[in-house]
Amino acid sequence: NAGVMQNPRHLVRRRGQEARLRCSPMKGHSHVYWYRQLPEEGLKFMVYLQKENIIDESGMPKERFSAEFPKEGPSILRIQQVVRGDSAAYFCASSRVEGDGYTFGSGTRLTVV
Amino acid sequence: DAKTTQPNSMESNEEEPVHLPCNHSTISGTDYIHWYRQLPSQGPEYVIHGLTSNVNNRMASLAIAEDRKSSTLILHRATLRDAAVYYCILRGWLGGANRDDKIIFGKGTRLHILP
Repeated sequence: NAGVMQNPRHLVRRRGQEARLRCSPMKGHSHVYWYRQLPEEGLKFMVYLQKENIIDESGMPKERFSAEFPKEGPSILRIQQVVRGDSAAYFCASSRVEGDGYTFGSGTRLTVV
Repeated sequence: DAKTTQPNSMESNEEEPVHLPCNHSTISGTDYIHWYRQLPSQGPEYVIHGLTSNVNNRMASLAIAEDRKSSTLILHRATLRDAAVYYCILRGWLGGANRDDKIIFGKGTRLHILP
């Protein structure tokens, strides 16, 4: 029973490029959450998705960031035209139903050079 | 999620019990108390949660004050692998008026284990 799978583990992008981060939730989990952790800071909520629906995107920056969780396939966090300030660890979590505990992935560490 | 207050850091000796405190004086009657921890370079992991009664699982115990305004996470015999940031979080019961499901992390307590 695989846990939450995130890939890639490490991603290096030049300023202005696009970054795509993937998250496959645990089997049977239909709720996905994305968090960002800047170096030496806490975890900040970004977005909460269910299949084909964005439930809460109150933590998403207004520009360049988008997220989706299609009917088939992993959830994708997309960052367009990356800047140095986007360098961070991005964690995905999933839960089976609302109110359940979250299972987190190991994260994707994005470095913008 | 309602606010919690935790010490920034704590130290403990290996193989001794650790008591991690959390204050949540504004807790509502339907808020659950959750604990997560984040080991270095890893994602957070669920530790334990409770509502009113004390709870035990293979990882830890959760002691909840009678007035629910504070709680304590107890690691019975700390090992070096327990060195992590521990987060105390309140989550509202989704059957109530507030259906906000997302977990909001605070700064947590950084636990150092001394060999």
